[in-house]
Amino acid sequence: AQSVSQHNHHVILSEAASLELGCNYSYGGTVNLFWYVQYPGQHLQLLLKYFSGDPLVKGIKGFEAEFIKSKFSFNLRKPSVQWSDTAEYFCAVIKPTRSNDYKLSFGAGTTVTVRA
Amino acid sequence: DADVTQTPRNRITKTGKRIMLECSQTKGHDRMYWYRQDPGLGLRLIYYSFDVKDINKGEISDGYSVSRQAQAKFSLSLESAIPNQTALYFCATSDYLDTGELFFGEGSRLTVL
Repeated sequence: AQSVSQHNHHVILSEAASLELGCNYSYGGTVNLFWYVQYPGQHLQLLLKYFSGDPLVKGIKGFEAEFIKSKFSFNLRKPSVQWSDTAEYFCAVIKPTRSNDYKLSFGAGTTVTVRA
Repeated sequence: DADVTQTPRNRITKTGKRIMLECSQTKGHDRMYWYRQDPGLGLRLIYYSFDVKDINKGEISDGYSVSRQAQAKFSLSLESAIPNQTALYFCATSDYLDTGELFFGEGSRLTVL
């Protein structure tokens, strides 16, 4: 069964610090990869996605993620966080298919708290 | 206006009551989903529908049922609510390409006493 692991449950850091959130998946073969963000009191929204091509993906708000196929990883990074980056971050993985066998899986999420 | 609208946004109910959460979307997507979010567990899929005549169980469908009334409407029902169904529920949509990109509603917070 496909699973998605996020290594950190809660990360606390100061403004201007660098952030890296780990994500590993267990599914073999071609996958599509996502990071979603949920700001306090809001719905989830897409931060960035990887389907193919350059494994270093740039998203909104200065975030980027690197797909390393050999490590089954898709880690999220931001060089310098802001207080407004306080949120919960979810990694998600899907095997692209046109069938009804739906396989989008979410990680448990990482809560990021940025202190001013 | 939000593309994916959920009602109610908050609901407190008692054990044994029937509850319906409604979702409507203006994105024109065929595919709709219901997830529940619990702390430390992330999002888990309850049911999904790829078109009006297609309903599929997700990983945690027990205790829930759904109805796809139209392309734009997908409701989730708890026939007899129990306390461990207390959670934040999200409706989501995606396009037919099944790229996995989801568009979420604002969420419905349900508390079962």
